[in-house]
Amino acid sequence: AQTVTQSQPEMSVQEAETVTLSCTYDTSESDYYLFWYKQPPSRQMILVIRQEAYKQQNATENRFSVNFQKAAKSFSLKISDSQLGDAAMYFCAYGGATNKLIFGTGTLLAVQP
Amino acid sequence: DTAVSQTPKYLVTQMGNDKSIKCEQNLGHDTMYWYKQDSKKFLKIMFSYNNKELIINETVPNRFSPKSPDKAHLNLHINSLELGDSAVYFCASSSGKNTQYFGPGTRLTVL
Repeated sequence: AQTVTQSQPEMSVQEAETVTLSCTYDTSESDYYLFWYKQPPSRQMILVIRQEAYKQQNATENRFSVNFQKAAKSFSLKISDSQLGDAAMYFCAYGGATNKLIFGTGTLLAVQP
Repeated sequence: DTAVSQTPKYLVTQMGNDKSIKCEQNLGHDTMYWYKQDSKKFLKIMFSYNNKELIINETVPNRFSPKSPDKAHLNLHINSLELGDSAVYFCASSSGKNTQYFGPGTRLTVL
């Protein structure tokens, strides 16, 4: 069975600084997707970034980028130039053959002005 | 132009009652899902439908019955509500194995 682990329950970053959120996963599948979702206090689940396992190039979306290490089964999220609006719960998720998403336990990110 | 919508956003009810949550997507997706987020924010899949057919049922009590009248709608009916059913329920949709887009969630409180 696939598992997703986020080992940082809480993180804090100063505005304009860079922060990295960690995620590791376990799977025996070769074809899968990895996602980072953001959940602000409004509770809406917002897609931040997505990575296909077959792609070696790390995905980037503006200030958000990932470090995807397939052999190590690691998928970290880097947020550059942090903004107050980045404060939220961040979930790492795995999507494989069964189509369901398997989520980590989340990392609560605080942004200090 | 809401992509995935859910009604109601909040639901407060007594133990033993029956309630329904509705979900609609206008993205043209063929797969829809229900997820449950518990009080510790943990998200877990409950059900998935593809073209109105149930494809995932994650050992959810049979008090929970999903229904998909068409590809754009997936409703969740819960019988005999229990205190432990209190949670946020999210509907989501995707096109095949692509990215899942979530609704705003329904916060269910059972008293």
